[in-house]
Amino acid sequence: AQKITQTQPGMFVQEKEAVTLDCTYDTSDQSYGLFWYKQPSSGEMIFLIYQGSYDEQNATEGRYSLNFQKARKSANLVISASQLGDSAMYFCAMREGEDSSYKLIFGSGTRLLVRP
Amino acid sequence: EAQVTQNPRYLITVTGKKLTVTCSQNMNHEYMSWYRQDPGLGLRQIYYSMNVEVTDKGDVPEGYKVSRKEKRNFPLILESPSPNQTSLYFCASSSWEALAGIPAPHNEQFFGPGTRLTVL
Repeated sequence: AQKITQTQPGMFVQEKEAVTLDCTYDTSDQSYGLFWYKQPSSGEMIFLIYQGSYDEQNATEGRYSLNFQKARKSANLVISASQLGDSAMYFCAMREGEDSSYKLIFGSGTRLLVRP
Repeated sequence: EAQVTQNPRYLITVTGKKLTVTCSQNMNHEYMSWYRQDPGLGLRQIYYSMNVEVTDKGDVPEGYKVSRKEKRNFPLILESPSPNQTSLYFCASSSWEALAGIPAPHNEQFFGPGTRLTVL
């Protein structure tokens, strides 16, 4: 079974509008972390935002916020006021820490295209 | 500047010709890892290292070797590359506090710029 599921292979959004990228996860660990990374066409992986499983408040970083719904096991990324430079691949990832493997498990990604 | 560097950035080689992709970080991180990225599959972990001389297999270790003789370096070795190892490779590093969920200014893995490998 997929541990991280991103059901939207591609999405469009109009410039200046908000967009939500979906991510659901599957884990039996009590302690885990959720990450979002951006990968522009140049290829590098850029960290955007982090949410710990015990964090009670949704994480926010500038125009990025994470809509964390623990009971539903979802960690959707919300980008407000989209910009042309937001066009990229976006990956949701999870760290399961209790077995000491400390690896990131990635979803298959969502390609976002911001229209002018 | 805090960074993870990888070399080479691009490599085209032939089946069976041994190659090494270097990875170096200047942040004194304990944890380092290698991932490969393939279309539709996201990133998958190949090997990781919790500290010097401590390495372990990730999800897709077959055909790869690693070593961690120094804290800053974590080379990826392909002893006999095959076409199915054509991929985009990323090295990453992190402090153990970040991975353990301890609040830190940058609670993430830092990624290198990637190495695009083609095996003919």
